[in-house]
Amino acid sequence: AQTVTQSQPEMSVQEAETVTLSCTYDTSENNYYLFWYKQPPSRQMILVIRQEAYKQQNATENRFSVNFQKAAKSFSLKISDSQLGDTAMYFCAFMKMRGQNFVFGPGTRLSVLP
Amino acid sequence: EAQVTQNPRYLITVTGKKLTVTCSQNMNHEYMSWYRQDPGLGLRQIYYSMNVEVTDKGDVPEGYKVSRKEKRNFPLILESPSPNQTSLYFCASTWVGLAGVGGTDTQYFGPGTRLTVL
Repeated sequence: AQTVTQSQPEMSVQEAETVTLSCTYDTSENNYYLFWYKQPPSRQMILVIRQEAYKQQNATENRFSVNFQKAAKSFSLKISDSQLGDTAMYFCAFMKMRGQNFVFGPGTRLSVLP
Repeated sequence: EAQVTQNPRYLITVTGKKLTVTCSQNMNHEYMSWYRQDPGLGLRQIYYSMNVEVTDKGDVPEGYKVSRKEKRNFPLILESPSPNQTSLYFCASTWVGLAGVGGTDTQYFGPGTRLTVL
């Protein structure tokens, strides 16, 4: 069974600074997807970024980028130029190829300070 | 507007009183799923469905039932709710493409249902 670990329950960062959220996972699969979701106080789950395991290039989405280390089973999220609106819970998630069994990590609560 | 809807958004009930939380998506997605979110545990999958009449257990299926009679709807049924099912519930849908090709595999979430069982 797959597991996802986020070792930082809470983090804070000053506005305009850069922060990195950690995620590690355990799987015997070779092909899979990894995701970062954001959950603001509204509780809505919002996709931040996704990464296909077969792609070596790290995904980027505006101020958000990942550092995907397949051999180390690590998938960290870097937020550049942090904004107050980035304050939220962030969940790392794993999914086998073609559906079945999304697995989420326990989440990291990020606070962006003015 | 493409969306996943859930009803009700908030529900307070008593132990043993059967309830159904509805989920509907308008994106013609094959894959739908239910999760519960509890503090410190993240989201845990309850059940998922790969298509009409195809459902399977997730990580925490005990005490829940689902059905998938139509592609757009995926209701979650609690036959005899108990206090340990007090939680925040999310429905999600995904387009997995044709024969597993071309889909995005990105889940789109509903707004959540806050359930309290007294």
